[in-house]
Amino acid sequence: DIVMTQSPDSLAVSLGGRATVNCKSSQSVLKSSTNKSYLAWYQQKPGQPPKLLIYWASTRQPGVPDRFSGSGSGTDFTLTISSLQAEDVAVYYCQQYYSTPQWTFGQGTKVEIK
Amino acid sequence: QLVETGGGLIQPGGSLRVSCAASGFSISNNYMIWVRQAPGKGLEWVSVIYRDGNTYYADSVKGRFTISRDLSKNMLSLHMNSLRGEDTARYYCAREAIFGAFDIWGQGTMVTVSS
Repeated sequence: DIVMTQSPDSLAVSLGGRATVNCKSSQSVLKSSTNKSYLAWYQQKPGQPPKLLIYWASTRQPGVPDRFSGSGSGTDFTLTISSLQAEDVAVYYCQQYYSTPQWTFGQGTKVEIK
Repeated sequence: QLVETGGGLIQPGGSLRVSCAASGFSISNNYMIWVRQAPGKGLEWVSVIYRDGNTYYADSVKGRFTISRDLSKNMLSLHMNSLRGEDTARYYCAREAIFGAFDIWGQGTMVTVSS
């Protein structure tokens, strides 16, 4: 199975500040036939199910604020929240969907307000 | 929309079925997935049923869990046998979008395995 490792496990950022979450896969999730990285990001607020934010490593799901952006390719990826809002407090997960059906998730990164 | 039901408290070694009612789309047109989350832990893929009816399972549940669907009711189920303490989790059903990520999730149903 592809192992997804996120860093840091938690971070605290001031309101309006930039939050950066990293995700590394144990093997490349870039498919040469499509030239796309099969990597998604989810947001999970307390007591709620995960919500899809980004797929193909950098494509925002409709309705997701543009302060959320994804970048990276191959094995190294980043989720950036450009100006942290109070409603962004959550746990963020990366997921690879390159190796299906053995989908795997990162362990999660908790984002809090400093 | 996806709505899960059927969770509860079950003794080790017991069986339970959780279900997921879909609305607004047909489950026959999508891969449908079960994902679980143990208390305070991360997300773990459990099982999937493909459009063609093929099924796959995580190694941790293979041989004990069975995924099925009722297309007439637009409903997904997960039959869980020989339950263990480590199966204690909130079980979510989710839809795989055409681009491969999971775009719709239910609220989940809690399964607690304990004597």
